[in-house]
Amino acid sequence: NAGVTQTPKFRILKIGQSMTLQCTQDMNHNYMYWYRQDPGMGLKLIYYSVGAGITDKGEVPNGYNVSRSTTEDFPLRLELAAPSQTSVYFCASSYESLSYGYTFGSGTRLTVV
Amino acid sequence: DQQVKQNSPSLSVQEGRISILNCDYTNSMFDYFLWYKKYPAEGPTFLISISSIKDKNEDGRFTVFLNKSAKHLSLHIVPSQPGDSAVYFCAASGGYSTLTFGKGTMLLVSP
Repeated sequence: NAGVTQTPKFRILKIGQSMTLQCTQDMNHNYMYWYRQDPGMGLKLIYYSVGAGITDKGEVPNGYNVSRSTTEDFPLRLELAAPSQTSVYFCASSYESLSYGYTFGSGTRLTVV
Repeated sequence: DQQVKQNSPSLSVQEGRISILNCDYTNSMFDYFLWYKKYPAEGPTFLISISSIKDKNEDGRFTVFLNKSAKHLSLHIVPSQPGDSAVYFCAASGGYSTLTFGKGTMLLVSP
């Protein structure tokens, strides 16, 4: 059982470049999330989705876009990368009930130079 | 404005003793609380949760206590083991599935 898979694990981007962080889960969870973690900080919610075709903004959505065309996949798009987007990005999924918490991927470490 | 606060950046404990990690929150709408454990270069792993209708929840060596009047929760690990060394995040939910996380506490358990 793979759980939540994120690719790539590491990436260096130049300012102004774009990229897509991939996230896929095989647990048939309807709910999926993208968080970012800056050094010494907690995780901050970027976007989330409660099902295919439904997405909503979190606390820090500026500079990002998402789509949810299938239950399994929830890619995060960075347009016009900026140094402030240097962070570790975590994708997670869950059932509607939080009794089992989130299942997180192993993260993507992104550096924008 | 931090709604979930973990005021201790780090905690050191000897193997076999109790580890107590603390968390405070400010938002009265939070009604479900979770603890996550994170090793370096890995994603957070769910440990234990508690609903606001309870004041205690146990799972093996892990117990979470909730004091709603003080807006405070704590995670007790007994007995602590070296493998428990990790960063522990407190998180809270206010009726939706999204979570607000604290900054984390790094626990070091020494043999």
